[in-house]
Amino acid sequence: DIQMTQSPSSVSASVGDRVTITCRASQGINTWLAWYQQKPGKAPKLLIYAASSLQSGVPSRFSGSGSGTDFTLSINSLQPEDFATYYCQQGDSFPRTFGQGTKVEIK
Amino acid sequence: ELQLVESGGGLVQPGGSLRLSCAAFGFTFDSYAMSWVRQAPGKGLEWVSSISGSGVTTYYADSVKGRFTISRDNSKNTLFLQMNSLRADDTALYYCARWGDYYDSYIEWGQGTLVTVSS
Repeated sequence: DIQMTQSPSSVSASVGDRVTITCRASQGINTWLAWYQQKPGKAPKLLIYAASSLQSGVPSRFSGSGSGTDFTLSINSLQPEDFATYYCQQGDSFPRTFGQGTKVEIK
Repeated sequence: ELQLVESGGGLVQPGGSLRLSCAAFGFTFDSYAMSWVRQAPGKGLEWVSSISGSGVTTYYADSVKGRFTISRDNSKNTLFLQMNSLRADDTALYYCARWGDYYDSYIEWGQGTLVTVSS
């Protein structure tokens, strides 16, 4: 099974900050990597697919990069509505696996 | 409108069974693989099971293999998860999710149905 490891597990930031979250796969997954945002009491929402493609309707302050085993989600100019938990997920093979999540909190 | 609506959750005793349903609206259901993903209280996302659009191919997490069965009725645009021999660690919010092959990711999620396993 492919293990997905996110860091940090939580980050405190202020509105306007740039936040970077990393996700590492235990083996190469090409660019079969997605990022989701989850707010309390809500279902996850797809932000980024294929490591760097922005899902329709997602603000351009979100961006993704990486390939192989190392990936990054960046949020430029953090907005109040961006405080949430973010998960990476590999789509290379079954079992589908998610990272443990990164909670972005208000400083 | 694109929508996934789960139902069937509830309180069940350890060793009991439950059948979850997910009704799909607004897209060609049999064109998409579907999955169940769960989230224990206060925890992260855990993939449970997936099924191909035709229903022929299925996959399961080791934690549920042999106890859970995923199926679908394409004539009724509905996904199912039959859960047997339930354990306390199966307690979670169960989401159904639509897989987008082009996106290689879950492009749509339901709101979830809560399963609580407790005596």
